[in-house]
Amino acid sequence: AQSVTQLDSQVPVFEEAPVELRCNYSSSVSVYLFWYVQYPNQGLQLLLKYLSGSTLVKGINGFEAEFNKSQTSFHLRKPSVHISDTAEYFCAVTYNQGGKLIFGQGTELSVKP
Amino acid sequence: GAVVSQHPSRVICKSGTSVKIECRSLDFQATTMFWYRQFPKQSLMLMATSNEGSKATYEQGVEKDKFLINHASLTLSTLTVTSAHPEDSSFYICSARDRGQGKKLFFGSGTQLSVL
Repeated sequence: AQSVTQLDSQVPVFEEAPVELRCNYSSSVSVYLFWYVQYPNQGLQLLLKYLSGSTLVKGINGFEAEFNKSQTSFHLRKPSVHISDTAEYFCAVTYNQGGKLIFGQGTELSVKP
Repeated sequence: GAVVSQHPSRVICKSGTSVKIECRSLDFQATTMFWYRQFPKQSLMLMATSNEGSKATYEQGVEKDKFLINHASLTLSTLTVTSAHPEDSSFYICSARDRGQGKKLFFGSGTQLSVL
């Protein structure tokens, strides 16, 4: 069955520290990967996506993610986080463009001063 | 783990008819549920936020009379697309926030609506 796993439910970090939010998906021939962010009291916002091409994808707010086919992973990274990055982050996958999104369980990133 | 059941997973209807989509939290109580519409390239548009026992809060540009949302209990929210038209064809996704469990957010499996 198609699935997405976010290994960390909560990630506390200090401001200006680097962060990595992990995401693994069930293997498939073709896969399209996404990271969404939900800030407090707001709806989901697309952070970045991998459809094809370069495996290193850059998104908004200084985030990037790397598609690793051999490890079936799409980890999200930021070299230096800000207080304003405190939010819930969701990894999602679809197995065909335009297909239904399957979400991971979410990771709550908490950035402390 | 917590599960959000969204039903039906797929529905095909004629133009002008109404369609009801259910979003049910199976093993937790959801004080807040969100309804999203999925657009091409997987962008999601928040349609509305519903809180149990109160009226839903709709996002700007979403027609309240066309997309009726009811959150009658702590485990059930429904979205009714009234007088559906072909342009309403889309994926609709619900999510529910657990009032316990650190207020985690869980997603339904989505409903593909096709209006002929």
